Amino acid sequence: EAGVAQSPRYKIIEKRQSVAFWCNPISGHATLYWYQQILGQGPKLLIQFQNNGVVDDSQLPKDRFSAERLKGVDSTLKIQPAKLEDSAVYLCASSFQQGQGSGYTFGSGTRLTVV
Amino acid sequence: TQLLEQSPQFLSIQEGENLTVYCNSSSVFSSLQWYRQEPGEGPVLLVTVVTGGEVKKLKRLTFQFGDARKDSSLHITAAQPGDTGLYLCAGGDNNNDMRFGAGTRLTVKP
Repeated sequence: EAGVAQSPRYKIIEKRQSVAFWCNPISGHATLYWYQQILGQGPKLLIQFQNNGVVDDSQLPKDRFSAERLKGVDSTLKIQPAKLEDSAVYLCASSFQQGQGSGYTFGSGTRLTVV
Repeated sequence: TQLLEQSPQFLSIQEGENLTVYCNSSSVFSSLQWYRQEPGEGPVLLVTVVTGGEVKKLKRLTFQFGDARKDSSLHITAAQPGDTGLYLCAGGDNNNDMRFGAGTRLTVKP
């Protein structure tokens, strides 16, 4: 089974620029998550989708971050404009079903550096 | 907000030693998961525990979920250099997705 695909693997941008990340989850996984992992910390949930609907975006900084999951498959996460503190690894994960007991499969992440 | 505290934050041991890392919270979880993350990769699921007092074994790794479902431990027997990585616990309740702790960074020296 193919894993969760993310691109790009690395991105370096200047502050105030825009950036977009792409995620293709495991086929058949209805639930998709975007996490932000700052160096030395655990992953922090940004947004959760169930099919193409948003389930939880309470920790998404909506003034600069946006995400969509058109057609309930691929997803994109955008930052506009980026700040220095957005430097982190952005992880996408998917699971077969929402909630407890359903293990997440993570992609390798996109490492963003804002300079 | 569910907060998961993991300890120790860093652990460096010699090959062949045993170790235990902990994951604690004041919240009750319906399930708790342990992941291992290697540099440049995403976390990989090791185990899910859902029943208070549950013990699961995965080769040299033993996972325990506390009776009150607020805490968990991971014990590694005869650690090997391949066990090196960041060990993350994640907990959730029936309505919420999983929230992660900050992790324990384990280094096993040959």
